[in-house]
Amino acid sequence: SQTIHQWPATLVQPVGSPLSLECTVEGTSNPNLYWYRQAAGRGLQLLFYSVGIGQISSEVPQNLSASRPQDRQFILSSKKLLLSDSGFYLCAWSVWPSSYNEQFFGPGTRLTVL
Amino acid sequence: GQQLNQSPQSMFIQEGEDVSMNCTSSSIFNTWLWYKQDPGEGPVLLIALYKAGELTSNGRLTAQFGITRKDSFLNISASIPSDVGIYFCAGQRDNQGGKLIFGQGTELSVKP
Repeated sequence: SQTIHQWPATLVQPVGSPLSLECTVEGTSNPNLYWYRQAAGRGLQLLFYSVGIGQISSEVPQNLSASRPQDRQFILSSKKLLLSDSGFYLCAWSVWPSSYNEQFFGPGTRLTVL
Repeated sequence: GQQLNQSPQSMFIQEGEDVSMNCTSSSIFNTWLWYKQDPGEGPVLLIALYKAGELTSNGRLTAQFGITRKDSFLNISASIPSDVGIYFCAGQRDNQGGKLIFGQGTELSVKP
């Protein structure tokens, strides 16, 4: 069966510090991968998605970047965090190509920027 | 960007009551998904719908894909305290490469 992991679970960082959040998927090959941010427990905003190694699409201009160094690893980064980067970050995966468009979410990372 | 209109935003109900929530859009979707999110956790997929008019159940949950392909509803029968959480609808349009559009969520509170 497939599982998705996110690390760390919680993070408190000062403004201006770097960021690296990791997402890994097990039990599937060549998944589509997604990074979302959720503010105040509502509304999932798609930040990045990837259809393969090294292939990243950005949905919104922002202070963050994403990378996919391996097939089942997706990393969210920032060189200098802003207060507005605080939120709940969710990674998700889906099978592609597929007639079914279900996305499966990880447990999330709670980021607080002080 | 494209949004789904999900309503109601929140519901406060008594244990045992039935619940209904819905999502609408001005655009046609080819997939509707319903998720539940518990506090501090990632959303969990409840029901997936792929055909207009499709009605699918998962235990006490029932969801339907609207005939016009522009809406979907989720019903929960005989609510229990563990139904508490935020319910999200999500839809996918053609040629979107697997990307989903999410509603803003319905927060459900159940009083024992």
